[in-house]
Amino acid sequence: AQSVTQPDIHITVSEGASLELRCNYSYGATPYLFWYVQSPGQGLQLLLKYFSGDTLVQGIKGFEAEFKRSQSSFNLRKPSVHWSDAAEYFCAVGGSTGAQKLVFGQGTRLTINP
Amino acid sequence: EPEVTQTPSHQVTQMGQEVILRCVPISNHLYFYWYRQILGQKVEFLVSFYNNEISEKSEIFDDQFSVERPDGSNFTLKIRSTKLEDSAMYFCASTSGQRNSPLHFGNGTRLTVT
Repeated sequence: AQSVTQPDIHITVSEGASLELRCNYSYGATPYLFWYVQSPGQGLQLLLKYFSGDTLVQGIKGFEAEFKRSQSSFNLRKPSVHWSDAAEYFCAVGGSTGAQKLVFGQGTRLTINP
Repeated sequence: EPEVTQTPSHQVTQMGQEVILRCVPISNHLYFYWYRQILGQKVEFLVSFYNNEISEKSEIFDDQFSVERPDGSNFTLKIRSTKLEDSAMYFCASTSGQRNSPLHFGNGTRLTVT
C-alpha cells in the first residue's frame, strides 16, 4: 500500500538556520513526489515536485528536495529559513498522469525562532 | 496565474443538514478532486472525477457524499446529512492530466458541524 511518513511532527529552528524536513515513502511503482506548504488558514501550495530526471529538484521560496530511491526518501531542505517560512509542510506521493490521487504524510509543523 | 477557487471559506451547519461545497477548478483542467483534512490530521483523498463521472473514491466517500459538475465551470461536493465527524477542511483540486502536471489546490472550505 502507498504511504508517506514524515517522522517529525514539529520542528523549531532559528531564523537564518538551515532546515531539513524528512519524508519517507512507500510506493509500488515509480513515485511522483511532492512537497506542499500550508500557511495558517490557507490552502495547499505546491513547493516542488519530482517526476523524473535530476534527483535534486528546486522549488519556490528557495526550497529544494532530493530524491533518494535507495532510501525511499524525499527530504526537503532550505539553506537559510525566514520567519515567513513558518507553516505546515506536507510530503505527498502520487501516480503519473491522469487520475493523480495523492497520499499525504502527517505533516511537519515548522516554527521559526527570531 | 489561474487558481482553484472555493466557496464559502467557512460553513457552519447543524447535524443532519445538507451542505454543498463549491469549487471552480482551473478552466482547462480535466480531472477534479476533493480531499479533506480533519483538524490535526493528514490530508485524505475523498474522490476523483473525470469525464463527468467518479473515477475513484475512498472508503470515506460513502452514500452520504456526492459530487457533481453541474455546468462547465463548477464542481460541487454535497453531504446529504452531516455528522459531527464531517467537521474538517475540505480541499478541491484539479489538474490537466498531462504528464508532469501536478494538482492545484484551492484554499479550502472549513466545515463546522454543530
